[in-house]
Amino acid sequence: NAGVTQTPKFQVLKTGQSMTLQCAQDMNHEYMSWYRQDPGMGLRLIHYSVGAGITDQGEVPNGYNVSRSTTEDFPLRLLSAAPSQTSVYFCASIWGDYFGPGTRLLVL
Amino acid sequence: ELKVEQNPLFLSMQEGKNYTIYCNYSTTSDRLYWYRQDPGKSLESLFVLLSNGAVKQEGRLMASLDTKARLSTLHITAAVHDLSATYFCAVGRTGTASKLTFGTGTRLQVTL
Repeated sequence: NAGVTQTPKFQVLKTGQSMTLQCAQDMNHEYMSWYRQDPGMGLRLIHYSVGAGITDQGEVPNGYNVSRSTTEDFPLRLLSAAPSQTSVYFCASIWGDYFGPGTRLLVL
Repeated sequence: ELKVEQNPLFLSMQEGKNYTIYCNYSTTSDRLYWYRQDPGKSLESLFVLLSNGAVKQEGRLMASLDTKARLSTLHITAAVHDLSATYFCAVGRTGTASKLTFGTGTRLQVTL
């Protein structure tokens, strides 16, 4: 098993650009989540999913969209990037038992 | 709303010393994680505590959970430099779709 994978590892965006952060897992887990990590604030939940076709908002959902068309994939979309979205993004499956390697995003 | 408080935020300790990191949470929960994070890396799960009185140990680290006091501790015994990292606790509750609330982390620095 590859576990939880994320791409890209690092991305630089200009304000207003859009992009999709990819997350995939090959363990057939129903539960998947997206977190962002900012200095001094720990991790905060953005969106989560309990299975294909079912998603819901977490603590800090504004500016992000998600979808879950398959069990394996849970992409996170930034429709119009803002500097406040500069952060490290982690995808996780099954509570916090499996975390992806993270995506570092810099919005200029 | 579930709140998780972790202290201290920063801990500098000498090799060979013992210390404890505390994690308090505000509402009934039944699942508590401890993670380690090295700079620029992802989170590594150290312990999952699922019941009152649970105690788990791995090497120089021991974690415990008191659900009545809403308190978990991570005890470090005879610290070594390799334990230098940031440690997070995270709390969840069954029936909440795998959502975790994290503490702000404790940055541990073990000096030689």
